[in-house]
Amino acid sequence: GEDVEQSLFLSVREGDSSVINCTYTDSSSTYLYWYKQEPGAGLQLLTYIFSNMDMKQDQRLTVLLNKKDKHLSLRIADTQTGDSAIYFCAESSDNAGNMLTFGGGTRLMVKP
Amino acid sequence: KAGVTQTPRYLIKTRGQQVTLSCSPISGHRSVSWYQQTPGQGLQFLFEYFSETQRNKGNFPGRFSGRQFSNSRSEMNVSTLELGDSALYLCASSWWGGANTEAFFGQGTRLTVV
Repeated sequence: GEDVEQSLFLSVREGDSSVINCTYTDSSSTYLYWYKQEPGAGLQLLTYIFSNMDMKQDQRLTVLLNKKDKHLSLRIADTQTGDSAIYFCAESSDNAGNMLTFGGGTRLMVKP
Repeated sequence: KAGVTQTPRYLIKTRGQQVTLSCSPISGHRSVSWYQQTPGQGLQFLFEYFSETQRNKGNFPGRFSGRQFSNSRSEMNVSTLELGDSALYLCASSWWGGANTEAFFGQGTRLTVV
């Protein structure tokens, strides 16, 4: 079945850039998403990218997609303490309706 | 515009009981999906409803069921609760539920089975 993998933990200093990586196995993935989850909260959609795109930028967020290697990354510029959270990547395919397959999440810790 | 509303936020049940969780999607959204989040298994897809019909189902036992009403509100039911059912249950709504639509999540219902 489909599999989405992420590293467990990332620690950065405030003001630095953070890069969170994700790999997936489903070659039919059409859309790839990044969600943020803060303690005790649901999931907040940060951004998503269509599989025929290489890059998408949205303010401090940059998503890079290497479809050949099935590798997705999320770069957060000028990381702030408020960015500390768990970040999930997820994928879906055209024939899967609204069914997302999530990675295990990367816990981002931002040190002041 | 109100977000996705899940009720109740917290629930404690005893093994063997059953539980019903509710999700009210964003107004105008017709697709509702349910996910279970546990520390061990992460986020796992339960099922998706669109226009009152179950469109997709994850790999969960038949004790987990759901339904969607004509106003798009959805409920999920878990019967004969087990300790392992303790989890955060998240519901997501989207306009029509295709792969190219954004899914918005509620705050979740935290279920504890004792």
